[in-house]
Amino acid sequence: EAGVAQSPRYKIIEKRQSVAFWCNPISGHATLYWYQQILGQGPKLLIQFQNNGVVDDSQLPKDRFSAERLKGVDSTLKIQPAKLEDSAVYLCASSLEGRPGGYTFGSGTRLTVV
Amino acid sequence: QKEVEQDPGPLSVPEGAIVSLNCTYSNSAFQYFMWYRQYSRKGPELLMYTYSSGNKEDGRFTAQVDKSSKYISLFIRDSQPSDSATYLCAMTSLNTGANSKLTFGKGITLSVRP
Repeated sequence: EAGVAQSPRYKIIEKRQSVAFWCNPISGHATLYWYQQILGQGPKLLIQFQNNGVVDDSQLPKDRFSAERLKGVDSTLKIQPAKLEDSAVYLCASSLEGRPGGYTFGSGTRLTVV
Repeated sequence: QKEVEQDPGPLSVPEGAIVSLNCTYSNSAFQYFMWYRQYSRKGPELLMYTYSSGNKEDGRFTAQVDKSSKYISLFIRDSQPSDSATYLCAMTSLNTGANSKLTFGKGITLSVRP
């Protein structure tokens, strides 16, 4: 079974620039999550999709972050404009029907904002 | 008070040692408890998943949950250099749907010396 694919692996941008991350979940997984992991901390949920609908985006900074999941498969997360504090690893995960024991994480995109 | 507190690290032990990793939580709604292992520059991978209070064993790993004390532990027996990684506890309140987001501890970095 192929894992969760994310790209790019690394990205360096200047503050106030925009950036986008892409995620392809495991085939058949209806639930997709974006987590933000700041260095030295545990991952924090940004947004959860069930198919192509948003289930939870309560911790997404909506003034600068946006995410979409078209056709209930791939997803993109965008930051515009980026701030220094957005430097983190952005992890995408998927699960079958939202079962917590069934999460699979991708390797993440490491963003550095300078 | 954070919802999930994890013992700070880093932790360095000799090969063959027994390792004890611990988390406490404050939200009594948490019902499902997980331990994830995260290697450098990789996404977290599920190690153990428990629901009820008590012990669950899988090879050299034992997960322990005490819901009355809001305390969970992960024990690693006969630790190996390949166990060197960051260990994250995670928990959630429901098994499916909108509340299946995970709340993570900060993680502890374990180093097993040959």
